[in-house]
Amino acid sequence: AQSVTQLGSHVSVSEGALVLLRCNYSSSVPPYLFWYVQYPNQGLQLLLKYTSAATLVKGINGFEAEFKKSETSFHLTKPSAHMSDAAEYFCAVRPFGGSNYKLTFGKGTLLTVNP
Amino acid sequence: DVKVTQSSRYLVKRTGEKVFLECVQDMDHENMFWYRQDPGLGLRLIYFSYDVKMKEKGDIPEGYSVSREKKERFSLILESASTNQTSMYLCASSLNRVGQPQHFGDGTRLSIL
Repeated sequence: AQSVTQLGSHVSVSEGALVLLRCNYSSSVPPYLFWYVQYPNQGLQLLLKYTSAATLVKGINGFEAEFKKSETSFHLTKPSAHMSDAAEYFCAVRPFGGSNYKLTFGKGTLLTVNP
Repeated sequence: DVKVTQSSRYLVKRTGEKVFLECVQDMDHENMFWYRQDPGLGLRLIYFSYDVKMKEKGDIPEGYSVSREKKERFSLILESASTNQTSMYLCASSLNRVGQPQHFGDGTRLSIL
């Protein structure tokens, strides 16, 4: 079964600093991968997705993620954090070739941005 | 833009009540999903539907049922609400195609007293 591990339930950075949120998946075949963001009292919003095209994926709000097959990772980065980036971030995986279109979500990483 | 609308943002009900949570999507998506979200546990899938009148159990279906009579609407039913069902409930929809993401509603924060 697919699983997703997000290292660090809470990450704190200073405004202007690099944001790095880690995601590792378990799969023998590269899956489809997604990052979502959730602001307080809202639903999840898609940030970006990897679907076996380019390994470096650019998303909204200046975020990007790099798919590394050898490391089974899909870490999310942003060069310079902004106060408005404070939110919870979820990595999700959908098995390649799966027939039911379910996603498996990580437990989330809460990002705090300090002034 | 995809719009997934959940009927209530906040809901307070009493133990033993039958509770209906409604979700409507406007993008003709085949798949619809119900999750609950609890601190430290992330998102857990309750039920999903891949077509009208079709449904499959997710990871935590106990105490819940669903209904999908029309393609755009997916209802979650708590047959007899209990306090351990106090949670944030999220509805999502997606196209039935490879690599398509799920699109989420804003959630319903349900409190069972």
